[in-house]
Amino acid sequence: DTAVSQTPKYLVTQMGNDKSIKCEQNLGHDTMYWYKQDSKKFLKIMFSYNNKELIINETVPNRFSPKSPDKAHLNLHINSLELGDSAVYFCASSLPGGTSGGTTDTQYFGPGTRLTVL
Amino acid sequence: GQNIDQPTEMTATEGAIVQINCTYQTSGFNGLFWYQQHAGEAPTFLSYNVLDGLEEKGRFSSFLSRSKGYSYLLLKELQMKDSASYLCAVKGDSWGKLQFGAGTQVVVTP
Repeated sequence: DTAVSQTPKYLVTQMGNDKSIKCEQNLGHDTMYWYKQDSKKFLKIMFSYNNKELIINETVPNRFSPKSPDKAHLNLHINSLELGDSAVYFCASSLPGGTSGGTTDTQYFGPGTRLTVL
Repeated sequence: GQNIDQPTEMTATEGAIVQINCTYQTSGFNGLFWYQQHAGEAPTFLSYNVLDGLEEKGRFSSFLSRSKGYSYLLLKELQMKDSASYLCAVKGDSWGKLQFGAGTQVVVTP
């Protein structure tokens, strides 16, 4: 049983194209996240949604637009892809995601989408 | 600013013990997480500390000192499958936001 799933697993595309990555979680969590992991393996948060509401929006080019149709899904659309967008994108989810503290805040990660822009 | 530091790489022998240190300076603190990430895979949760002291979970233990901004992950009885990157992450003062360190690559040799 997959907890957090992402599609596609690999995405190879040309510069300038528009692409989307989809994420779904069946853990009943309220909060979902998008992270980018670059070639140096540094994992950095991009966005977070709690119950379909955007709550974290880091300094990310506005070519990146997240969308959460319901609390079990979080998609990431990227316009006008650039070489520097090549990375692994991870989706994650957690229960409350607030400042309540505790292991219920643990984030569970999807398998990642390896994006290569040529 | 936010800063989370951990060593880049550590090498140890099968059966040995390795301690991965993590120091942090963040604007808020609501807990520290350790994740394991094998090459090409997703990070998986290992441990969580929010109060000072040691948390033990089988072969893995994690320690936290909030006053020193310091944590360590202790891996005992190392196995070849423990070769992976270990990520220290601090939950700051906003919704679920985790700040990750760059990860420590642990190489276990026979």
